[in-house]
Parts: sequence; C-alpha cells; structure tokens
Amino acid sequence: GQQLNQSPQSMFIQEGEDVSMNCTSSSIFNTWLWYKQDPGEGPVLLIALYKAGELTSNGRLTAQFGITRKDSFLNISASIPSDVGIYFCAGKGWSGSEKLVFGKGTKLTVNP
Amino acid sequence: EAGVAQSPRYKIIEKRQSVAFWCNPISGHATLYWYQQILGQGPKLLIQFQNNGVVDDSQLPKDRFSAERLKGVDSTLKIQPAKLEDSAVYLCASSTQGNSGKLFFGSGTQLSVL
Repeated sequence: GQQLNQSPQSMFIQEGEDVSMNCTSSSIFNTWLWYKQDPGEGPVLLIALYKAGELTSNGRLTAQFGITRKDSFLNISASIPSDVGIYFCAGKGWSGSEKLVFGKGTKLTVNP
Repeated sequence: EAGVAQSPRYKIIEKRQSVAFWCNPISGHATLYWYQQILGQGPKLLIQFQNNGVVDDSQLPKDRFSAERLKGVDSTLKIQPAKLEDSAVYLCASSTQGNSGKLFFGSGTQLSVL
C-alpha cells in the first residue's frame, strides 16, 4: 500500500526561528494536505495542494506540492509558542476512490 | 457552526470486552470517516461512509470491528471483543461530498484496553 515518509520525526527550535519539514511518497499523489494536531484534539487542516508545483501560504505557513508529485514541503516562518504540536502530511492518489494516507508526523517543540 | 462531536472522550476496558463509540458529523456533511490513531502514528482509515453507504472498509478488522451510519447522519463504531492492540485514539471526521481531502476531525475517543 501507499506509504508516506515524513521527516524529521521531531524538532526542537527557539521562538522566532523558521521551520522546514517534508514528506515523500512511494507513489504519485494528486492531492497533498498538511494537518496540525494539538494534544487531546483531532487534526486540523492547515493547507491543501492540488497541483504539481503549487505553492500556497496560510499566514506564516507555506507549503509546496513537489514537481515529481511524490513529495511536499511545509515551512513555518518566525515560529511562536502556539506552533507547538504534531504536523501531519497526507496524500491522495488519482482515483476518486483512493483513501487519504497520513504520514507519521513531525513533533514540533518551540522554546520561548 | 458546530464541529464533529464524539463520545465518550475516554474509555478503559478489559480485553475481550466490547465497546462502542459515537460520532455526530458536521451538519450537511455527506461523508463520514472513522480513523484509528495509535500512539506515535498518523491516523489510519478504518471505514468511510458516503451518506449511509460504505465507500471503503478495506482496513477494518471485520472479525471484531463493525460500524454503521443509519439515516446517513450520526455513526457508531463497535469493537467486540477488544484486544490489547486496539488501544488507540479513535477519530471521527466528516467532509462535504467529493474527494478534496479536506476533513474536519472530532476530538477523538481515547481507548485503553487492559
């Protein structure tokens, strides 16, 4: 089945620093999404990407759909303490019946 | 707008017991999903409903798990009998009809099987 490799597994940064994380797939996707999960809550959608090469921003967050269709990147600029949480990438293949597959997540810790 | 409601928030049972989880999706959302999230992992789809029909249950352990969505609104997920490896957070999500991947998740039910 489809697998997503998300890296890094965890990050420890200082407030104000920029953050980059990425996700790679063993197969081609036509949709990439990034979700954030806070402790004790369900994931919340941050950014959705539907076209190869697409670059989309949501405030301090920027995500890109890789040209190969097998990867995606998420950048967070000028991190703040509330950015703490687990970030998941998720992807879907071409068929309308294909399920959304999630990566294992990147745990972000921001030191004030 | 009310979000996805799930209950209970926590459940502790012994192995071989049965348990049920309830989910009420966002009003008007035709698609409902149940995901299992084991500690340290991403969510894994168990079953997807479109209205009251099953779209995908390929990863549902059907010998012990069952789910229904009567009347195409709220849904229940049942485990009978539970095993130790079923300890996880069970997340319900809903979305509008289509395959955009934009899911709205509930807060989940944390299940501990002892």
